[in-house]
Amino acid sequence: ETGVTQSPTHLIKTRGQQVTLRCSSQSGHNTVSWYQQALGQGPQFIFQYYREEENGRGNFPPRFSGLQFPNYSSELNVNALELDDSALYLCASSLEREGLEHFGDGTRLSIL
Amino acid sequence: AQSVTQPDIHITVSEGASLELRCNYSYGATPYLFWYVQSPGQGLQLLLKYFSGDTLVQGIKGFEAEFKRSQSSFNLRKPSVHWSDAAEYFCAVGISSGGSYIPTFGRGTSLIVHP
Repeated sequence: ETGVTQSPTHLIKTRGQQVTLRCSSQSGHNTVSWYQQALGQGPQFIFQYYREEENGRGNFPPRFSGLQFPNYSSELNVNALELDDSALYLCASSLEREGLEHFGDGTRLSIL
Repeated sequence: AQSVTQPDIHITVSEGASLELRCNYSYGATPYLFWYVQSPGQGLQLLLKYFSGDTLVQGIKGFEAEFKRSQSSFNLRKPSVHWSDAAEYFCAVGISSGGSYIPTFGRGTSLIVHP
């Protein structure tokens, strides 16, 4: 059974740029959630996708957007990057919307 | 909106001692409740969860947690801590509303284990 994999592991961008982070969900999982974890903080929920539809969204601006593909993999896109976007971005998959989430190791995004 | 409070930012225990990490939540009904552990540079691993039923739940690595509705608490316990338990621990609640699912995490408790 393949776990949740995220790419890239590290990324450096500058303010104003755009970034795409990718997540492959665990085999058989149809739900993907994305989280932002700033240094020393708990994960903050960005949004969740269930069967290719957004199924919930946290308090993040529209420049944070996502996609889920038919194979249930997912992308997180962030436009107009700001310094405060520097964080660990975590992807988690589960079998159903309120199910048990399995996390990837995250993408560390640094904004200069 | 729901909220989660982990009142202890750091906890230090000696190896072999017992452990209790506190978690309180604010929500009108009973949410889904979770405890996760995070080692440095890694993602989160689920220790245990409460959805319904028996209020004392057993998890992996010898952890257990007790849901107390009257106190809106879901404290994590372990009878004897091992050095490898040193990590960051997160309590989380999940709310399902109108077909949407919204999870909220606490800010975490850092566990330090002394030999």
